[in-house]
Amino acid sequence: DTEVTQTPKHLVMGMTNKKSLKCEQHMGHRAMYWYKQKAKKPPELMFVYSYEKLSINESVPSRFSPECPNSSLLNLHLHALQPEDSALYLCASTRGPGTEAFFGQGTRLTVV
Amino acid sequence: QQPVQSPQAVILREGEDAVINCSSSKALYSVHWYRQKHGEAPVFLMILLKGGEQKGHDKISASFNEKKQQSSLYLTASQLSYSGTYFCGTANNNNDMRFGAGTRLTVKP
Repeated sequence: DTEVTQTPKHLVMGMTNKKSLKCEQHMGHRAMYWYKQKAKKPPELMFVYSYEKLSINESVPSRFSPECPNSSLLNLHLHALQPEDSALYLCASTRGPGTEAFFGQGTRLTVV
Repeated sequence: QQPVQSPQAVILREGEDAVINCSSSKALYSVHWYRQKHGEAPVFLMILLKGGEQKGHDKISASFNEKKQQSSLYLTASQLSYSGTYFCGTANNNNDMRFGAGTRLTVKP
């Protein structure tokens, strides 16, 4: 299994809603990532978990809250988002430094 | 810090060649190349770890210069399927992986 699975594929939420994005991999990868990608822009690093511990937080607003319940799962909890947070949210995983990143298909988020 | 990519966009006819460059002001631990098609996730092409390394498969190859501050991606005899946005990514030994601004490649018949 060389897949990273993200759910849901699409999400529309209001600015007062609470929702969660989910990412799962069963490759035994110990680093997992959240990226935000706007149209015609590169993926922008948000968070990195290494061995289930948050190792990088790129000064992301607190309305985004990551969670890594175990080595296979990564969640991104969303609360009180703004319309400008609408984007494609990509999850990725790697075995470690200097190794190939596997990306999920992403969740296309629209905040209304 | 993000690597710097050039050019921003390239338009080719089928069969033509292209080079995409990626550079950094500091030595890089590794360089990754990905291609992303519209509406899809980035797909891994190759990774280079050592200065002086060259890799390739089919008609796509890449190099990593000795000082590990620059990498180039070479697309030879381009096909329509090569169209997409190419990103170089750099990673350090702390799993900090970031991407350049991307190069939009369009291959026309």
